[in-house]
Amino acid sequence: EPEVTQTPSHQVTQMGQEVILRCVPISNHLYFYWYRQILGQKVEFLVSFYNNEISEKSEIFDDQFSVERPDGSNFTLKIRSTKLEDSAMYFCASKQAPNTGELFFGEGSRLTVL
Amino acid sequence: DAKTTQPPSMDCAEGRAANLPCNHSTISGNEYVYWYRQIHSQGPQYIIHGLKNNETNEMASLIITEDRKSSTLILPHATLRDTAVYYCTGNQFYFGTGTSLTVIP
Repeated sequence: EPEVTQTPSHQVTQMGQEVILRCVPISNHLYFYWYRQILGQKVEFLVSFYNNEISEKSEIFDDQFSVERPDGSNFTLKIRSTKLEDSAMYFCASKQAPNTGELFFGEGSRLTVL
Repeated sequence: DAKTTQPPSMDCAEGRAANLPCNHSTISGNEYVYWYRQIHSQGPQYIIHGLKNNETNEMASLIITEDRKSSTLILPHATLRDTAVYYCTGNQFYFGTGTSLTVIP
């Protein structure tokens, strides 16, 4: 069964450093998403991406965050200058169609900011 | 914005049906209701979705009220592996806090 893959599974970084989280969505999917989940809290939407541009973003997705699809397969989330409160699990998801159909989530990348 | 409300936790005996409710009174007319679950800190897993009619698949059944203000996810024969946090969502952006289901042996 096709799946969304994420790397790294766990990254530890120092506050102020840049981090790039990578995702390979399912190959025929066109809509891509990032969510985050702070330990013990709910899953929070960050951003959605379609046709090489952001289609929706939440208040959390400020200027410190950016997304990119640098080639035909990868979808990345960059955090420019990490803060302690960025420590969380980050989930990538993808789906085929905009209004119907389910999201397929990756297993997540755990980011720890020290 | 389709905010949802779910009870924070529920228990269910193994082998019995688990009925998980969700209120989504602000859902718009063309928004589907989706259910996902999250086991430990794994990525959320899709279960089922519906618009107006009740739906059933190999994992669960979904009952949506006629006014679409609420729905119930039914796991017909809960197993220990169904212990997870269950989320309902309208637009798949807002996941809420979900219901932590514990299946008891």
